[in-house]
Amino acid sequence: DTGVSQNPRHKITKRGQNVTFRCDPISEHNRLYWYRQTLGQGPEFLTYFQNEAQLEKSRLLSDRFSAERPKGSFSTLEIQRTEQGDSAMYLCASVFQSSTDTQYFGPGTRLTVL
Amino acid sequence: AQKITQTQPGMFVQEKEAVTLDCTYDTSDPSYGLFWYKQPSSGEMIFLIYQGSYDQQNATEGRYSLNFQKARKSANLVISASQLGDSAMYFCAMREGHTGNQFYFGTGTSLTVIP
Repeated sequence: DTGVSQNPRHKITKRGQNVTFRCDPISEHNRLYWYRQTLGQGPEFLTYFQNEAQLEKSRLLSDRFSAERPKGSFSTLEIQRTEQGDSAMYLCASVFQSSTDTQYFGPGTRLTVL
Repeated sequence: AQKITQTQPGMFVQEKEAVTLDCTYDTSDPSYGLFWYKQPSSGEMIFLIYQGSYDQQNATEGRYSLNFQKARKSANLVISASQLGDSAMYFCAMREGHTGNQFYFGTGTSLTVIP
C-alpha cells in the first residue's frame, strides 16, 4: 500500500492523559499537513511541515499540542492533558510539491476523550 | 468571511441521474486551486478533481466534472450517472497562492443516492 497511513485508527482516552498519533506520508511527498475534523464540519488546518521543518501553525494549535517530523519522513502529533473538546478526527495529508499541490489524505485517527 | 461556502447540507439524487453540488469561494489572490474531496462514512478523504484558477477548460475526471465560473467565484461539482457508492460527504476546498500553505475546506454536502 503506497498511500498515507495513520495509527492508531481509534483512540479512547481519559481526560488529562497524553496521546500521540502517527502519520506516514507517501514516500516522495515533501509536505505533510495535520487537520482536525469535528462532526458536521470540514477539516480545519492545524499545522504543516516542509520536509522536517514546521512552517506554519494554526491558532487552533494550543500549547498542549505539539507536532514533529524528524528526518522529514513520518510525523507525530501529541496532545498533552487531553480535554473533552479534543474529541475529533485527526487527519493527516501529504503533498508532492507540484503545480496542483493536491493533498492526499490518510484514513484519520478518531480520538474520544472521556 | 468564509473562504469556502457550501450551501447544501444534504442532497438526494436518483441512481443514474446527474447531480450538482454547489461551492462558492472567496479570495483576492489571482492564483489559487480548487479541489473536491469525497468522504465516505469510513472517514478517509478521497481526492476527486482539481481546477486551477488559470485553467481555461473545466476540469473533468471520469464521471466528475467541475463547473468553474470564475467571475461568480463558483466551482460546482457535477456527478453524472450517480451510483449507490457515490453516497458520501463531499467537500470543496481551496488553496490560495501558487503554492499556498493552507487549504480551506467548506462544511460539506451530504449526498444520498436513492436506488
